[in-house]
Amino acid sequence: QKEVEQNSGPLSVPEGAIASLNCTYSDRGSQSFFWYRQYSGKSPELIMSIYSNGDKEDGRFTAQLNKASQYVSLLIRDSQPSDSATYLCAVNKLEGNNRLAFGKGNQVVVIP
Amino acid sequence: EPEVTQTPSHQVTQMGQEVILRCVPISNHLYFYWYRQILGQKVEFLVSFYNNEISEKSEIFDDQFSVERPDGSNFTLKIRSTKLEDSAMYFCASSEQGVVVTKNIQYFGAGTRLSVL
Repeated sequence: QKEVEQNSGPLSVPEGAIASLNCTYSDRGSQSFFWYRQYSGKSPELIMSIYSNGDKEDGRFTAQLNKASQYVSLLIRDSQPSDSATYLCAVNKLEGNNRLAFGKGNQVVVIP
Repeated sequence: EPEVTQTPSHQVTQMGQEVILRCVPISNHLYFYWYRQILGQKVEFLVSFYNNEISEKSEIFDDQFSVERPDGSNFTLKIRSTKLEDSAMYFCASSEQGVVVTKNIQYFGAGTRLSVL
């Protein structure tokens, strides 16, 4: 079983719509959850961090965490063309090594 | 805003040659990491470093790889004898802490694209 799974194919959304991305993880000991945005050929850029169950909102972004279901999601409201990128889900266990396990990413294309 | 800086941005080398990738982590950060991303694949953990020693390494990080903090600001990744399959984007990251919630966020440098010919 993969540590972090992001199974959806490319997501095309009209400008102004909501983009919804999902991620599941296998290790129940995971404690920190992150969404990074990666433009083509660039490095991961932190969008959101979430540590406890529920929702966390930051501007147009909302992260949702459900540890019982081992599920993390990201909502992007009022999608803009500049949101077109690959979104990476990353998880770690907050043990001494702090290693991040990444999913393969979900590509989002915002259509003007 | 503080950032992780990496040099060079692109490194081309011949198979079997040694390469050193350089990183300057954010100044008050204590934990340093190297990740790699082969084209079209996911970001993979290589190694974490704290208090001048490796705290964890992945199975990718074999004897051909080494890391060093030669001075108070630089953090390097050395590949002793490069292989074709080492061609990838290498990212350095740093975090303020490793085990404290909210202080364990990893910030990534722009990366070094390594091309092994």
